[in-house]
Amino acid sequence: AQSVAQPEDQVNVAEGNPLTVKCTYSVSGNPYLFWYVQYPNRGLQFLLKYITGDNLVKGSYGFEAEFNKSQTSFHLKKPSALVSDSALYFCAVSRSTGGFKTIFGAGTRLFVKA
Amino acid sequence: GAGVSQSPRYKVAKRGQDVALRCDPISGHVSLFWYQQALGQGPEFLTYFQNEAQLDKSGLPSDRFFAERPEGSVSTLKIQRTQQEDSAVYLCASSATWGGSSYNEQFFGPGTRLTVL
Repeated sequence: AQSVAQPEDQVNVAEGNPLTVKCTYSVSGNPYLFWYVQYPNRGLQFLLKYITGDNLVKGSYGFEAEFNKSQTSFHLKKPSALVSDSALYFCAVSRSTGGFKTIFGAGTRLFVKA
Repeated sequence: GAGVSQSPRYKVAKRGQDVALRCDPISGHVSLFWYQQALGQGPEFLTYFQNEAQLDKSGLPSDRFFAERPEGSVSTLKIQRTQQEDSAVYLCASSATWGGSSYNEQFFGPGTRLTVL
């Protein structure tokens, strides 16, 4: 069975500081991993994904994520946070074989303080 | 081009009523997903269509929930005899899929917020 854990309900960061939003996953076989962001009153938007290849994936708005197979993690990072990054972030996993179901984590709310 | 649209955006139903929620995916997108998002939670998978074929309905919580996509584009999620626990935001997403795999990102609609009184 697939599962995703986002251990932090909320992350608080000062503007200009680096940010990390954590995600661990469980899936049989090779995973496809995604990060989505949800701004207030807007739908979920795709940020980045890991399919195969380089463990460091770069995405929209300066975000990146590192795939760590041994730790089954896919943490989202940004070197310098902006107030406008404040939003709800969701990690998601699907399987490379055997279906299309995507499992989302419960979400982490990011607050960036000016 | 236009993104994924959903209607209505808000729906209030009395317990026991039937509701129908519509999703217009991005034109040409083969895959269509329905999710249920409870307050403070992540989206939970309900069902998946590839064109008009419903390939996975394992997430539908009961036989009161029914989804269709008869012509491979617009989809409707129907909930019969609504219950209070059905109150949630229902999200639709579409993606372009090649090779029968799930590696493509999904494009989400704004959701329909269903409140059952």
